[in-house]
Amino acid sequence: DVKVTQSSRYLVKRTGEKVFLECVQDMDHENMFWYRQDPGLGLRLIYFSYDVKMKEKGDIPEGYSVSREKKERFSLILESASTNQTSMYLCASSSVWTGNTIYFGEGSWLTVV
Amino acid sequence: GDSVTQMEGPVTLSEEAFLTINCTYTATGYPSLFWYVQYPGEGLQLLLKATKADDKGSNKGFEATYRKETTSFHLEKGSVQVSDSAVYFCALTPRVNTGGFKTIFGAGTRLFVKA
Repeated sequence: DVKVTQSSRYLVKRTGEKVFLECVQDMDHENMFWYRQDPGLGLRLIYFSYDVKMKEKGDIPEGYSVSREKKERFSLILESASTNQTSMYLCASSSVWTGNTIYFGEGSWLTVV
Repeated sequence: GDSVTQMEGPVTLSEEAFLTINCTYTATGYPSLFWYVQYPGEGLQLLLKATKADDKGSNKGFEATYRKETTSFHLEKGSVQVSDSAVYFCALTPRVNTGGFKTIFGAGTRLFVKA
């Protein structure tokens, strides 16, 4: 089975801190994604990457950056956390070779105080 | 652009009731269609999918048929259980063979099943 592992399930950070959310997948998928999920707003795509060192902006990239130095790892960075970034963050991966099914991690609950 | 519209929730049913969650889409070409489920406190996981017109995806008693003529992919289950309480997301992926595609998700429908 595909496994997508997010480094932290629950984080509490202070306003202005730099926050790293790490994600690793073990199936050699070329595509990786970061979403945030908020009540009433569904899933919103922050960034995605379809190859090492490649990144594309999603629907809400402002205030975020990403890094993909290795194929299996995709990091989400909040340069200066703000309270409106309190949310559930979901990492995911997929491959055209497996029918583009998206495999999600369990999520990281970030609270910015 | 491509979009997915699903019925708003929450949907509340008694155990053993019949479930339908409507999903319609707008897309160019022939996308793949998916239903994902999210149980409380967890990430999303694939429930079923269909890749071409008239295909029926099925899993765990749930079914959905890819209807190109009505651009729909409605989720059905004949007899729901309390354990089916979750949020259900309809989604589409454009049919491409290169990188850079985006999966489009519906807003999600929360299902509550009462014993």
